Amino acid sequence: KQEVTQIPAALSVPEGENLVLNCSFTDSAIYNLQWFRQDPGKGLTSLLLIQSSQREQTSGRLNASLDKSSGRSTLYIAASQPGDSATYLCAVFTRGLVFGAGTILRVKS
Amino acid sequence: ETGVTQTPRHLVMGMTNKKSLKCEQHLGHNAMYWYKQSAKKPLELMFVYSLEERVENNSVPSRFSPECPNSSHLFLHLHTLQPEDSALYLCASSQLLSGSGANVLTFGAGSRLTVL
Repeated sequence: KQEVTQIPAALSVPEGENLVLNCSFTDSAIYNLQWFRQDPGKGLTSLLLIQSSQREQTSGRLNASLDKSSGRSTLYIAASQPGDSATYLCAVFTRGLVFGAGTILRVKS
Repeated sequence: ETGVTQTPRHLVMGMTNKKSLKCEQHLGHNAMYWYKQSAKKPLELMFVYSLEERVENNSVPSRFSPECPNSSHLFLHLHTLQPEDSALYLCASSQLLSGSGANVLTFGAGSRLTVL
C-alpha cells in the first residue's frame, strides 16, 4: 500500500526566505507526483506535476524535484511571501492520487 | 472556479437523515473521484470512476453510496452517518484514470459536512 509522508508538518518563516518542503513515498511505481496548495476551508490548487520520467518542474518561484528510485520529492519556494501561507500537499498518482498529510506553511511579514 | 463544481458547499445533517453531495465537471474528463479530508489526516481516496464505471472502492462503509450517471456528474449519497463522518468531501476529475504521466486531477472546492 502506497504511503506518502511530508516533512515538516508545519513551518513558520520570515518573508523573503527560501524554503524546502519534503515528500517521500513508499512505492516507486508511480505515474506522476503532484504538489498542491490548499487554503483554509477551500479545495486544492495544483501547483506542479512531475511525470515519472521527469526529474523536475518549475513554475515561477516554485521548483519541484523528483527522485523516483529513492521515493523522494522536494518543493523549493524561493523568496517566500505572506501570500504563500497555506497547506502544501504532495500526492503520487497510481490508481488515483495518494496524499501526504501536508505541510502547513506560514510566512510572516 | 476550477471547472469542477460541488454542491452544497456546506451541509449539516442528523444521523438519521439521507442527503446527497453532487459534483459536476465540464472539462471533458473521463475519470472522477471522491476524497474525504478529515481534520489532521491526509486526504483519503474513497471512490474512483472511469467512464462511469466504479473501478476503486477503498473499503468505504456502505452508508456512503456513490453514483455516476454520466461522465460529467458524480454523486455521493449519504445515509445514517456517524459524527466521525464529519469532514470536507472533495470531488476531482481527470482526463484519464491511469497509464499517463501527464494525468492531472482538478479538484472542486469541496462540500463541508457536519453530522450531528
